[in-house]
Amino acid sequence: GAVVSQHPSWVICKSGTSVKIECRSLDFQATTMFWYRQFPKQSLMLMATSNEGSKATYEQGVEKDKFLINHASLTLSTLTVTSAHPEDSSFYICSARDNQGARGYTFGSGTRLTVV
Amino acid sequence: QKEVEQDPGPLSVPEGAIVSLNCTYSNSAFQYFMWYRQYSRKGPELLMYTYSSGNKEDGRFTAQVDKSSKYISLFIRDSQPSDSATYLCAMKTPNFGNEKLTFGTGTRLTIIP
Repeated sequence: GAVVSQHPSWVICKSGTSVKIECRSLDFQATTMFWYRQFPKQSLMLMATSNEGSKATYEQGVEKDKFLINHASLTLSTLTVTSAHPEDSSFYICSARDNQGARGYTFGSGTRLTVV
Repeated sequence: QKEVEQDPGPLSVPEGAIVSLNCTYSNSAFQYFMWYRQYSRKGPELLMYTYSSGNKEDGRFTAQVDKSSKYISLFIRDSQPSDSATYLCAMKTPNFGNEKLTFGTGTRLTIIP
């Protein structure tokens, strides 16, 4: 089945620094990937849609300059949290849709970001 | 009103019981319906994917869609402690220019041994 690998699984960083999270589709090509944020005991909130070779589409209220998304290839999308602050601490999850069929979306295992 | 409503629970049932999880939705354009299972601090895992009204069965899991009532369900038979997780319903319109999934809030399920 389709596998999406997300790294790192957890990261602690100092306030003001930047953190990059990688999302890779291991056995399929993904034209489109998605980045979500999840707060404790809450559902997934879509942050942006990442399109290979073009600019990401951000949801309303999500700062483009804060959350930089790059989708340089059909198997890799990255999310960079720039100048991180404690309020950016959250669980970030990526997902991808297999282009070959109308099936569900496969999710990565998530990244727990803690900004201190 | 949210597009997708899901009772957050928590829901606790004894091992072996049948579990019923439900979501309602208001957007009649939703045509694709999914159920995901999410363990603590992990990404969601796809359980069921349906795009028509009726029932779809996979092992101990049955997904049911009633488009006329805008109501979907997930049934888990012979529930096991390993089924303890948060279950999220998700849905999507057939507009392939819009790939966005809309999620329910998730229901926390605990199976008691």
